[in-house]
Order: sequence, then structure tokens, then C-alpha cells
Amino acid sequence: GAGVSQSPSNKVTEKGKDVELRCDPISGHTALYWYRQRLGQGLEFLIYFQGNSAPDKSGLPSDRFSAERTGESVSTLTIQRTQQEDSAVYLCASSSGQGFYGYTFGSGTRLTVV
Amino acid sequence: AQSVTQPDIHITVSEGASLELRCNYSYGATPYLFWYVQSPGQGLQLLLKYFSGDTLVQGIKGFEAEFKRSQSSFNLRKPSVHWSDAAEYFCAVGSRGGGNKLTFGTGTQLKVEL
Repeated sequence: GAGVSQSPSNKVTEKGKDVELRCDPISGHTALYWYRQRLGQGLEFLIYFQGNSAPDKSGLPSDRFSAERTGESVSTLTIQRTQQEDSAVYLCASSSGQGFYGYTFGSGTRLTVV
Repeated sequence: AQSVTQPDIHITVSEGASLELRCNYSYGATPYLFWYVQSPGQGLQLLLKYFSGDTLVQGIKGFEAEFKRSQSSFNLRKPSVHWSDAAEYFCAVGSRGGGNKLTFGTGTQLKVEL
């Protein structure tokens, strides 16, 4: 597509439930990133996919967080047993994989855990 | 580890006045540097970036930034602010290699008084 698409744009969930967030990258972009933005904070790196290589999961805050990506297509970020501190905007970005050229962010999913 | 500091959490300027937003970084080599703008409910939009070469970088919407290696700074400037510039501004540093992850500052919220 023309841009990075994320869904849903807003999600309210009860504490303890699992949630799935979706990211559809720009067509042809081999690299995909997930970031988290908590209120009043900058963005924190969560996970990075590059083609068929093993993902860089170094930013995932706990084992309740996981993400998948099949090839160079859609990615899903899953948060299990959500906690109130998981409330944040989750932003996805994709790039051509050639350094930072074409690094483009989606509009994010605002997750609220009540 | 790389880090970014944006010392001003909030800045208020009058429309038509000049603007400077401060950004200091910590990185062991020549960094990739970025400024992004985020309007309410929107994703991140890239204003400008520095990779190498001329240390004064021109961006969109009339913004510019200057890379000063001696001061580890990459301040964002605009000679005359418009009311539509009210938004949150993020400085980021990118690692060379290692997946092209971005490390963000905590942001500066810009308010423009008419």
C-alpha cells in the first residue's frame, strides 16, 4: 500500500485479556519495526524484523509480548494477559532495509487497558 | 548505549516568532540524526535527517537543523512559526548497523500563541 497501515486504531481491553495489533507495511519494504509510546514518553523500540532473518526481540519488555511476521508481509504484535502499564500507543514502521531510507511510521494503535 | 535528551518538555512561542528546539545525543560514532513531528492522533512525520556531509540540514515545512559534533547537538530551528506548527517534536538517533533501530528523546510539546 501507499503507507504503513495499522489496525485497530483504538483498542480498549480489560486487564488480563490478550490483544493482537496488526501492521501492514509498505509493499516491498523488507524491514518492519514495532515501537511503544507511553504517555509523556518518547518511543521505545520493541522488535525488528528483516526479511527472513531471526527477529531482534531485544526491546520486548516481558514474555507477555510477542510478534510474528510472515516473510515481508503483515505483522502482528500480541500482548498476553494485559496489564494497565501496557496502555500506550503502539507504532509500527517499515523501511526498505537499506539503512534508514524510506523509514515510514504508521498512525499507531492506541491501547487502553482498564 | 545511545541516548537522546530533549531538555525542554514544553515550549510556547508566538506566531511569527523564531523557534529553536534543543536536542543532545550520546553515540559512540557519527550518528544518524532525525527530527519527527507528531500532531494529535497522527503518526510520526519526518521533518529532516542528517546522515553525513553538510551539517546544516533543510527539511520540510521550513524547518532546518544543525549538527554540531563538538556539542553533540542537533537543534531544530524555524525562523517564523505558524499556528499549524503546534505539535510534539521528537529528536532521534539511529544506530549504524544492528537493525537501524531509532532511539528517541522524550519529546518537546510546542504551543503556538496567536
